[in-house]
Amino acid sequence: DQQVKQNSPSLSVQEGRISILNCDYTNSMFDYFLWYKKYPAEGPTFLISISSIKDKNEDGRFTVFLNKSAKHLSLHIVPSQPGDSAVYFCAASAHNDMRFGAGTRLTVKP
Amino acid sequence: EAQVTQNPRYLITVTGKKLTVTCSQNMNHEYMSWYRQDPGLGLRQIYYSMNVEVTDKGDVPEGYKVSRKEKRNFPLILESPSPNQTSLYFCASKQTGNTEAFFGQGTRLTVV
Repeated sequence: DQQVKQNSPSLSVQEGRISILNCDYTNSMFDYFLWYKKYPAEGPTFLISISSIKDKNEDGRFTVFLNKSAKHLSLHIVPSQPGDSAVYFCAASAHNDMRFGAGTRLTVKP
Repeated sequence: EAQVTQNPRYLITVTGKKLTVTCSQNMNHEYMSWYRQDPGLGLRQIYYSMNVEVTDKGDVPEGYKVSRKEKRNFPLILESPSPNQTSLYFCASKQTGNTEAFFGQGTRLTVV
């Protein structure tokens, strides 16, 4: 029973364009949401987060949007750069219980 | 430097031979957890610990044990490894509450 779902296993975009990664969750108890980035042979690293009391959080080129009614969040990367090529995991948390999605492999082509 | 350290990074073993993967963090975090990453399934939680001597099962605990005798260490024990435990394992730690987790570099385990 996957409580956090990333339905797109992969995404390919051109350098300079926008990358949009999507995530859906089923448990309405989740109140904190995070995105992690993972390069090969490394552990996931934290990218950006958002609390359930907000609908948007921005950090440089990265913006996370939260739609609580739809139980959906998305990560926007603008502009995309080749160095952004990695696997992106969405995570949702409630009372220290953190669940992850299956990941989306982003490829940014020069 | 704040970090989570796992050892070994790579391990090939045979079915039934007990093994331990160590995990240590230097950030004084109360919360630690173990995940396994498999293709198409993302990161699934094996066990977690809210504090010293407090551990609990995650989503896929079968075949694994953990202990939390000290705050900084959270070893993962496979008493009798089987081929379906071949996977990439990650240890993570964080402060309690809504904060981000810090991950180790991973341990790639192959059981033949």
